[in-house]
Amino acid sequence: DIQMTQSPSSLSASVGDRVTITCRASQSIGRDLNWYQQKAGRAPKLLIYGALSLQLGVPSRFSGSGSGTDFTLTISGLQPEDFATYYCQCSSGMPPNIFGQGTKLEI
Amino acid sequence: EVQLLESGGGLVHPGGSLTLSCEGSGFTFKNYAMSWVRQAPGKGLEWVSAINNGGTDTFYADSVKGRFTISRDNSKNTLSLQMNNLRAEDTAIYYCTKESEPLGPGWFDPWGQGTQVTVSS
Repeated sequence: DIQMTQSPSSLSASVGDRVTITCRASQSIGRDLNWYQQKAGRAPKLLIYGALSLQLGVPSRFSGSGSGTDFTLTISGLQPEDFATYYCQCSSGMPPNIFGQGTKLEI
Repeated sequence: EVQLLESGGGLVHPGGSLTLSCEGSGFTFKNYAMSWVRQAPGKGLEWVSAINNGGTDTFYADSVKGRFTISRDNSKNTLSLQMNNLRAEDTAIYYCTKESEPLGPGWFDPWGQGTQVTVSS
């Protein structure tokens, strides 16, 4: 089974900061990596798909990079509404759809 | 607007059964794989089960294999999750989500609002 290791598990930052969250796969997954944002009490929301592509409606301060085993989500210029928990998801392998453990982004 | 609306959650005793439903609207339901993802209290996201667009292929997490059954009725735009022999560790919010591909796996968008399942005596 593919394992997804996300780091850090929590992160403190300030409005305006640039932050990076990392996700590492236990084996190469090409670009089959997606990122989600979840705010407290809400359903997750897709931010990035295919490692690089920004979902429609998501602000351009969010960006994704990486391929193979190492991936990053970068938020450039943190806004107050960005404080949430972020998850990576591998969309390949068997079983499919493994999530990382999550990164809680706090003020 | 693409929408997913779950129902069927509730309180059930250990060993009991429950069936969750999810109605999709705003998209051609029969063209997409669908999944259930759950989130235990204070924990992360756990994929539970997936079904391809035609309902012919199903997939399960090891934690629910043999106890849960996913199905769909494309004539009614409805996804279901039959949960048997429920355990305390199945307590979670269950989300229905649309996959990006007809045969899966892909990315999940959108997600329903979730339905709470509580397994307790």
